[in-house]
Amino acid sequence: EAGVAQSPRYKIIEKRQSVAFWCNPISGHATLYWYQQILGQGPKLLIQFQNNGVVDDSQLPKDRFSAERLKGVDSTLKIQPAKLEDSAVYLCATGSGGVGEQFFGPGTRLTVL
Amino acid sequence: QQQVKQSPQSLIVQKGGISIINCAYENTAFDYFPWYQQFPGKGPALLIAIRPDVSEKKEGRFTISFNKSAKQFSLHIMDSQPGDSATYFCAGPGGATNKLIFGTGTLLAVQP
Repeated sequence: EAGVAQSPRYKIIEKRQSVAFWCNPISGHATLYWYQQILGQGPKLLIQFQNNGVVDDSQLPKDRFSAERLKGVDSTLKIQPAKLEDSAVYLCATGSGGVGEQFFGPGTRLTVL
Repeated sequence: QQQVKQSPQSLIVQKGGISIINCAYENTAFDYFPWYQQFPGKGPALLIAIRPDVSEKKEGRFTISFNKSAKQFSLHIMDSQPGDSATYFCAGPGGATNKLIFGTGTLLAVQP
């Protein structure tokens, strides 16, 4: 079974620039999560999708972050404009639904200069 | 926002020793308590999980102990090995949406 795929793996941008991350979930997984993991901290949920609908985006900074999940499969997370404090690893995770195991991708390490 | 408090922040153990990491939660509605393991450059991966209808769960060298009255659960790694060196996160469900709230992590180093 293929795992969660993410790209790019690394991204370096200047502040005020925009950036996008892509996630391809495990086939058949209806639930998709985007997490932000700042160095030395645990992952923090940004947004949760169930199929292509948003279930929870309460911690998403909506003035600069946006996310979509096309046809309930792939997802993209965008930051525009980026700030220095957005430097972090952005993790995508998927699950089959309900409370249970979440499968994480390798993450995208973003550095904002 | 409900919190999950994890300790210690870092831990050094000799090979063959026992590693113990503790977690305390606030949300009494939590009904699923996982531990995730993360190696550098990788995403977290589920290590072991427990539901509150049991007080202990063991999988190989890894054991979760659960204390419902104290709202605490812990991870014990027996016969710790250098390959266990990683960051460990406890987590709990964060509400009706079944999102996970992660602890701050424990960096474990097992010395050979």
